Amino acid sequence: AQSVTQLGSHVSVSEGALVLLRCNYSSSVPPYLFWYVQYPNQGLQLLLKYTTGATLVKGINGFEAEFKKSETSFHLTKPSAHMSDAAEYFCAVSPGGYSTLTFGKGTMLLVSP
Amino acid sequence: DTGVSQDPRHKITKRGQNVTFRCDPISEHNRLYWYRQTLGQGPEFLTYFQNEAQLEKSRLLSDRFSAERPKGSFSTLEIQRTEQGDSAMYLCASSSTSAETQYFGPGTRLLVL
Repeated sequence: AQSVTQLGSHVSVSEGALVLLRCNYSSSVPPYLFWYVQYPNQGLQLLLKYTTGATLVKGINGFEAEFKKSETSFHLTKPSAHMSDAAEYFCAVSPGGYSTLTFGKGTMLLVSP
Repeated sequence: DTGVSQDPRHKITKRGQNVTFRCDPISEHNRLYWYRQTLGQGPEFLTYFQNEAQLEKSRLLSDRFSAERPKGSFSTLEIQRTEQGDSAMYLCASSSTSAETQYFGPGTRLLVL
């Protein structure tokens, strides 16, 4: 069975500050890990994914995440927040990749000027 | 590539009525998924198809719910005798069997009065 825990339902940062959204997962098999972003009243857009290989993955809009197997974590970071980054972010895990996704509860990112 | 589309985008119905949603996946994607997202939660898996075969159903999918993908292209999700607890965003996603990324549609927001 798989599960995802996202620490903090809301994270507030100032424009230009570092963004750090936390994700811890549990998986009985090697996981594929994903970060999706959701803007109000819209579907989910893929930010980045980890499958195999390099543990630091880069995504769209300047986001990146690092897979740390020993910590069962896949935290999302961005060096400098922009107002347009305000949205809800979901971490998801898939066992082996070609299967259904199990999502965390999401973290709402608030960016203040 | 026009993306995943869903229709309608919004649906308001009275308790006890039947509703049907449609999902058109990205062309040539043979996997199609349905998820449900309630307020403050991440999406939860309902069911998925590979071509026209329904391969997996979640325990969330009560006998009031039925999904079809008759020709392996578009899919419909029907909810019979709707209840207020069915109020949620219903998300559709598609992927190919050779790739692990699921692409999401904009969702159908259902409100049961």
